[in-house]
Amino acid sequence: EAGVTQSPTHLIKTRGQQVTLRCSPISGHTSVYWYQQALGLGLQFLLWYDEGEERNRGNFPPRFSGRQFPNYSSELNVNALELEDSALYLCASSLDPAPAIGELFFGEGSRLTVL
Amino acid sequence: EDQVTQSPEALRLQEGESSSLNCSYTVSGLRGLFWYRQDPGKGPEFLFTLYSAGEEKEKERLKATLTKKESFLHITAPKPEDSATYLCAVQNQGGKLIFGQGTELSVKP
Repeated sequence: EAGVTQSPTHLIKTRGQQVTLRCSPISGHTSVYWYQQALGLGLQFLLWYDEGEERNRGNFPPRFSGRQFPNYSSELNVNALELEDSALYLCASSLDPAPAIGELFFGEGSRLTVL
Repeated sequence: EDQVTQSPEALRLQEGESSSLNCSYTVSGLRGLFWYRQDPGKGPEFLFTLYSAGEEKEKERLKATLTKKESFLHITAPKPEDSATYLCAVQNQGGKLIFGQGTELSVKP
């Protein structure tokens, strides 16, 4: 069974540019979560999608946005990139949405470097 | 404010030297506490879920325990392949998952 897949694996952008990251959940999983893992800061919750709807978002500015498609894949968009957006962006999927999050299956992440 | 603190930040062990990692938490109604393992350049891999004080879970050389204020991940006779960053996370009443910053474990042969 294929795990959570993310693309691209690595990318380099400059300040002010826009980026789109993609995530395909495990087959049958309807919930998708996005996390940012910056150096020394741990995993910070960005967004949660379930059944095509945004269910919750973390303390990030509106330039971080996303969507979930009918096939449950998801995109994370970041506009007006800033240097501090450099991080590993992780997508995770789960079978059960909150309140019973349970086990999250993570992808290997998209490493974004902003110059 | 909900918070998760892990200690130590880094731990170096010799192969076979048992030890414990700590996860202290403050949360508005604990729904669950989770342990993950993360290898460099990879996404976290789920290890355990604990739901109530007194609960214990085991997997190979790892055992996780839970009290009302903290969780321990005990590593018995570790091997070099146990080297990784171990992440603790708690789920609050609102369903939000809050991660600690992790403990980087290095096991030398």
